[in-house]
Amino acid sequence: DVKVTQSSRYLVKRTGEKVFLECVQDMDHENMFWYRQDPGLGLRLIYFSYDVKMKEKGDIPEGYSVSREKKERFSLILESASTNQTSMYLCASSPAGEDEQYFGPGTRLTVT
Amino acid sequence: GQQLNQSPQSMFIQEGEDVSMNCTSSSIFNTWLWYKQDPGEGPVLLIALYKAGELTSNGRLTAQFGITRKDSFLNISASIPSDVGIYFCAGGYPPGGYQKVTFGTGTKLQVIP
Repeated sequence: DVKVTQSSRYLVKRTGEKVFLECVQDMDHENMFWYRQDPGLGLRLIYFSYDVKMKEKGDIPEGYSVSREKKERFSLILESASTNQTSMYLCASSPAGEDEQYFGPGTRLTVT
Repeated sequence: GQQLNQSPQSMFIQEGEDVSMNCTSSSIFNTWLWYKQDPGEGPVLLIALYKAGELTSNGRLTAQFGITRKDSFLNISASIPSDVGIYFCAGGYPPGGYQKVTFGTGTKLQVIP
């Protein structure tokens, strides 16, 4: 079975803090994705990566950056957290050439 | 980005009833995917559709890839309490680059025992 793990299930941070969300997949997938999920808005793509050290902006990249130094790991960084970044963050991965994405359990981030 | 309209937004049904939900788009997709998200968890893939007109089942779930390639439907027969959750559709578009998909806004299903 594909396994995607995320470093924290729940996180509380203060406004202005730098926040790191980590995601690891164990299936040697080329593609990795970060989404945020908000009620009524579905899943919105923040960034994705199709290879080590490669990244592409999604639909809502503002206020976020990412890092992919190893194939299995994709990190989402909030340089200076703000209250409007309070959300559920979901990581996903997929093999090259396939649309089916496999999701981690999510990190519920609260910025106060 | 592309938009997927998913309906209904939410529904309450009695245990044992059948459920239908759908997803429509103004754009063509090459792949349609249906996911279920249990409360507090990440989405899990239920069914993947690859061809216009395709009808695929997974237990009590049946999904169809619309002929126009702009829509898809998911039916759940004889609902049970563990069907509770949010159901997302997702469309995969032609690879002009990389395997991104667009997600619908979700249908929240509640089952009354």
